[in-house]
Amino acid sequence: DQQVKQNSPSLSVQEGRISILNCDYTNSMFDYFLWYKKYPAEGPTFLISISSIKDKNEDGRFTVFLNKSAKHLSLHIVPSQPGDSAVYFCAAKGGVGETSGSRLTFGEGTQLTVNP
Amino acid sequence: NAGVTQTPKFRILKIGQSMTLQCTQDMNHNYMYWYRQDPGMGLKLIYYSVGAGITDKGEVPNGYNVSRSTTEDFPLRLELAAPSQTSVYFCASKISGTGLSEQYFGPGTRLTVT
Repeated sequence: DQQVKQNSPSLSVQEGRISILNCDYTNSMFDYFLWYKKYPAEGPTFLISISSIKDKNEDGRFTVFLNKSAKHLSLHIVPSQPGDSAVYFCAAKGGVGETSGSRLTFGEGTQLTVNP
Repeated sequence: NAGVTQTPKFRILKIGQSMTLQCTQDMNHNYMYWYRQDPGMGLKLIYYSVGAGITDKGEVPNGYNVSRSTTEDFPLRLELAAPSQTSVYFCASKISGTGLSEQYFGPGTRLTVT
């Protein structure tokens, strides 16, 4: 039962162009969504988040969009830079049975490669 | 602030051996978590704790044990190592409460069981 899915294992874009990473979820009780970035041999680092009461959150080059009716969120990176090359994980908080601990459910990750 | 630290970075275990993965955070976070990440997969929650003396199971707790005697430390114990436990293990922490859900991760421990 994969409640958070990232259907694209990899994405390759040119430097300066837009990167769009997608994430779908099935649990309508999720109330908070996060994106994490992970470089090899390091732990994930928090990138940006969005509450379920919003449809957009922007932080510099990074924007997250939430479409609750479609149970879909996306991360836009504009302009993309070679240093953005990493694995990006989508995560969701809340849901049926989640009564404590602010537990997160993660997607499988998408490897972004930004080519110079 | 060192954040979340994990030791060891790498370990090779033989089947049936036991070991403890250490995790320490210096941010005075009440909530702590243990995840495992298998190749091509997302992070799966093993155990978590909402404070000293309180632990609870996550999605994949079988074969593991935890304890939380202090706010800072959250060790993960493998009693009888099996090849299926070959993975990268991440510890994370966050401030208590549901308002800010960002978890801070350690650098990970890569474990191989042969």
